[in-house]
Amino acid sequence: DVQLVESGGGLVQPGGSLRLSCAASGFTLSSSSMNWVRQAPGKGLEWVSWITTSSGNKYYADSVRGRFTVSRDNAQNSLYLQMDNLRADDTAVYYCARDPAVAGTAWYFDLWGRGTLVTVSS
Amino acid sequence: DIQMTQSPSTLSASVGDRVTITCRASQSIRNWLAWYQQKPGKAPRLLIYKASTLETGVPSRFSGSGSGTEFTLTISSLQPDDFATYYCQQYNSFRTFGQGTKVEIK
Repeated sequence: DVQLVESGGGLVQPGGSLRLSCAASGFTLSSSSMNWVRQAPGKGLEWVSWITTSSGNKYYADSVRGRFTVSRDNAQNSLYLQMDNLRADDTAVYYCARDPAVAGTAWYFDLWGRGTLVTVSS
Repeated sequence: DIQMTQSPSTLSASVGDRVTITCRASQSIRNWLAWYQQKPGKAPRLLIYKASTLETGVPSRFSGSGSGTEFTLTISSLQPDDFATYYCQQYNSFRTFGQGTKVEIK
């Protein structure tokens, strides 16, 4: 089956750090640009970060730039999100999402994981 | 930043109804718009991209139209499986989502 599975979420105190992982199966991750998208409880979707196939380019939403770092290990078919200096408003379900373009970037998302919940609270 | 505004926020409808959701962009996004369906506790599912192209496997009762700043998602005959929240997303300039439209049972 083609799927994405996130892990690494949990409860963390404000100012703390967390590293999320996203494991891909059923397709070759190295062929796809990948994204992180989050959804605060009861709220809508917010794009967080984007990384191109070879990690040559990385982009972030203003709300997380300087605190979050996206990376990937194509050999391990995995995507990561290092989250530092976490704040209460980072509390959300974090989804990894695939860009469908085989070459280049389509800029939308055709495959999503089920998400992992990050709760920032003291 | 491009802002996306969906209307209505909530829509009450019955099985068999024709349903239309509107998404407006704060500036022209040409036809770089996608629609997603999300059910509670589940990941979003891509329905339509490039404003009107149906994703593989999506039922033909879903359709999208529009260009520039105004777009619509139409469900021609609402089915029980369609009660969900729908989001539009622009990708003309990075990525921005609308706030969502919940389609609930009337």
